[in-house]
Amino acid sequence: DGGITQSPKYLFRKEGQNVTLSCEQNLNHDAMYWYRQDPGQGLRLIYYSQIVNDFQKGDIAEGYSVSREKKESFPLTVTSAQKNPTAFYLCASTSGAPLHFGNGTRLTVT
Amino acid sequence: AQTVTQSQPEMSVQEAETVTLSCTYDTSESDYYLFWYKQPPSRQMILVIRQEAYKQQNATENRFSVNFQKAAKSFSLKISDSQLGDAAMYFCAYRSDFQISSGSARQLTFGSGTQLTVLP
Repeated sequence: DGGITQSPKYLFRKEGQNVTLSCEQNLNHDAMYWYRQDPGQGLRLIYYSQIVNDFQKGDIAEGYSVSREKKESFPLTVTSAQKNPTAFYLCASTSGAPLHFGNGTRLTVT
Repeated sequence: AQTVTQSQPEMSVQEAETVTLSCTYDTSESDYYLFWYKQPPSRQMILVIRQEAYKQQNATENRFSVNFQKAAKSFSLKISDSQLGDAAMYFCAYRSDFQISSGSARQLTFGSGTQLTVLP
């Protein structure tokens, strides 16, 4: 079955460490996105990529980095420069109108 | 930049009754897409319904329908015959298309969500 796989589901890190969240899709979608969700808030766009080897900053890109070396993969690195990294992170992809979402990764930094 | 506003942080409805969730947006574009997504406790984002702005007819998907008022920039979701499984966070979203150096791009801007409780 086609879909978007985010791993791991839960991730724990110590403050000051970089951490990479995985996102893989087998839907053959060109565009991929990373969103952050905090309690009581909607989804906020971190980064997006329309094609391989190209990506753009979203509304809250500071403290994050991405790469798009393969069409099916769009990993997100949360760096130590991100001041409040604890959140729920959602990856999405599309080739048309609706976004398809992964199941998310809950990152906790202590 | 587009903004999406959901003014009802929480709503409740009795099972089998009808409820309407509100959404307004701000844009200067004439052609765009609007969506309602549902996020149950599993946190999986599920597409409920979508509306193309150039279509005057309101979209309908089974018990879910929208009231799209383009001039008023309003996009409400009506859930009829509410079921316990409808309990979730509902997000309104606006899709904007634009050009970047590598070609066309699109973004979804989300509202802050409405938490719907269905009472048995």
